[in-house]
Amino acid sequence: QQKVQQSPESLIVPEGGMASLNCTSSDRNVDYFWWYRQRSGKSPKMLMAIFSNGEKEEGRFTVHLNKASLHTSLHIRDSQPSDSALYFCAVRRNTGNYKYVFGAGTRLKVIA
Amino acid sequence: EAAVTQSPRNKVAVTGGKVTLSCNQTNNHNNMYWYRQDTGHGLRLIHYSYGAGSTEKGDIPDGYKASRPSQENFSLILELATPSQTSVYFCASGDTYEQYFGPGTRLTVL
Repeated sequence: QQKVQQSPESLIVPEGGMASLNCTSSDRNVDYFWWYRQRSGKSPKMLMAIFSNGEKEEGRFTVHLNKASLHTSLHIRDSQPSDSALYFCAVRRNTGNYKYVFGAGTRLKVIA
Repeated sequence: EAAVTQSPRNKVAVTGGKVTLSCNQTNNHNNMYWYRQDTGHGLRLIHYSYGAGSTEKGDIPDGYKASRPSQENFSLILELATPSQTSVYFCASGDTYEQYFGPGTRLTVL
């Protein structure tokens, strides 16, 4: 079973709409959270990182983190067709060797 | 920008053959990682390294070996390739706050 659960698995949003992606870690021994974006045929690239409780905004992208519930969410406002991609959530385990664990991803499609 | 390269980009191997995937980074990062990507599983960590001469097992190390002969190079070795190892393999280098991924290697084991 995935220790990093992402939902939904796929999402279709109209152009200009809001996309909301969720991620929860079932492993409590994690500290840092990331969102990575992978466009079709490309490698993953970090989109945003969040390390403390609260909210972080960069342009049209907003990330929330609740460390108590180990839940993070990514919100994309005014979604564009170019936002269509696979979005991964990643966490870092803060015990042992500080491994990174990725979720299975949410596939976002923005339709014009 | 951080640079991670992988070779080969595509590889077809036969069952039971030996496969070596190579990764080079020019970022001077201590940490390097090998992942495989399969639909429905996301990115799964195979092996990682904290520096030259070190390798650590990730979450799915069975059937794979790794080698880190220098700061820049990190190899993934499949001694006896099996069809279940058909996948896309990504190498990454990174620090505490970000990982930088290579372009990936598509491996097909027949």
